[in-house]
Amino acid sequence: NAGVTQTPKFRILKIGQSMTLQCTQDMNHNYMYWYRQDPGMGLKLIYYSVGAGITDKGEVPNGYNVSRSTTEDFPLRLELAAPSQTSVYFCASSYLGQVPTGELFFGEGSRLTVL
Amino acid sequence: AQTVTQSQPEMSVQEAETVTLSCTYDTSESNYYLFWYKQPPSRQMILVIRQEAYKQQNATENRFSVNFQKAAKSFSLKISDSQLGDTAMYFCAFRQGAQKLVFGQGTRLTINP
Repeated sequence: NAGVTQTPKFRILKIGQSMTLQCTQDMNHNYMYWYRQDPGMGLKLIYYSVGAGITDKGEVPNGYNVSRSTTEDFPLRLELAAPSQTSVYFCASSYLGQVPTGELFFGEGSRLTVL
Repeated sequence: AQTVTQSQPEMSVQEAETVTLSCTYDTSESNYYLFWYKQPPSRQMILVIRQEAYKQQNATENRFSVNFQKAAKSFSLKISDSQLGDTAMYFCAFRQGAQKLVFGQGTRLTINP
């Protein structure tokens, strides 16, 4: 039972480069999320999706893009990486249906450094 | 907008002691969920305990229990018989219905031998 899987776990980028963080879940959850966690801080929502084909902005969406073509996958793309995007990124999923549990299931995180 | 406040940036106790982490939140709604997540040095986010606002009974999970005061909008976490493995960042989080999970800034808990 894999749960939420993120890749890569670590990445170093140069300023101006682009990359995609991959996220996939095998729990058939309808909701998926991307959060970032800066050192010593809580998690801030970047983007989220309520189902395939539907995405929406969170608190800190600037500099990022997402897509949700399938229920399982929710990649996060960084365009023109900047040092301010150095952070740990978490993908999460949640089921909201007739009997919602409300909790989020998290991936292990991806540490991104932009130099 | 909902906000979650954890007023204790750091706490430290001796092994086997009981410790309580504080959390307050702000909402005008009556139905919502509250959570405590643990983040050990491995940085994995682990659900510790969950409370549905419509339930008056405080949730418990083994050594972990909450004191949920709905009128006061308070949701504290009590860890009994603390263990070295409880050392971690603890985040309080709030969720209303289908909306996003809002996190507090975290409390760094250290359990000393």
